[in-house]
Amino acid sequence: AQSVTQLDSHVSVSEGTPVLLRCNYSSSYSPSLFWYVQHPNKGLQLLLKYTSAATLVKGINGFEAEFKKSETSFHLTKPSAHMSDAAEYFCVVSDPYSGGGADGLTFGKGTHLIIQP
Amino acid sequence: GAGVSQSPSNKVTEKGKDVELRCDPISGHTALYWYRQSLGQGLEFLIYFQGNSAPDKSGLPSDRFSAERTGGSVSTLTIQRTQQEDSAVYLCASSPRTGDPYEQYFGPGTRLTVT
Repeated sequence: AQSVTQLDSHVSVSEGTPVLLRCNYSSSYSPSLFWYVQHPNKGLQLLLKYTSAATLVKGINGFEAEFKKSETSFHLTKPSAHMSDAAEYFCVVSDPYSGGGADGLTFGKGTHLIIQP
Repeated sequence: GAGVSQSPSNKVTEKGKDVELRCDPISGHTALYWYRQSLGQGLEFLIYFQGNSAPDKSGLPSDRFSAERTGGSVSTLTIQRTQQEDSAVYLCASSPRTGDPYEQYFGPGTRLTVT
């Protein structure tokens, strides 16, 4: 079975400072991993995905994430936060062989990112 | 191109009434998923359709919930005899199920409020 743990339900940073959203996973196989962002009253938008091609993955809006197999982590970072980054962020693990109901996708519970002016 | 669309965007209904929520997936996407997002909760998987295969209904919370997908395209999620705990945002996603990994494309959701 696979699982995803987002270690912080809320993260608050000041505009212009770095962002770190933490995600740990467990999976029986070599999973694929995603980060999605959800702005208020919007659907989920893909930020980036890890497909084993490179451990450091760059996404949209200046976000990036590093896959660390030894730590089973896929933390999301951004060097400098912007007010428009305020949103809910979901870490997702994908393992089609897991037989999970969502076609092998397991969602974390989300991290609410707050940007202080 | 056009993304996943859902209607209505907001729905307010009285307890005990039936509601239908609609999802139009991206053209050509073979897979369609329904999720429920309650306040302060993550995404809860409800049901998954893939091509002409029987849907995976393992996430439906009760027999009041049902869904169908006509012609491999549009899907309708029906909730019968709504209860207040059904209040949530219902998200639909579709996927071409190609590439590695499969990526899901989400609609904006329908916010259901049961009074």
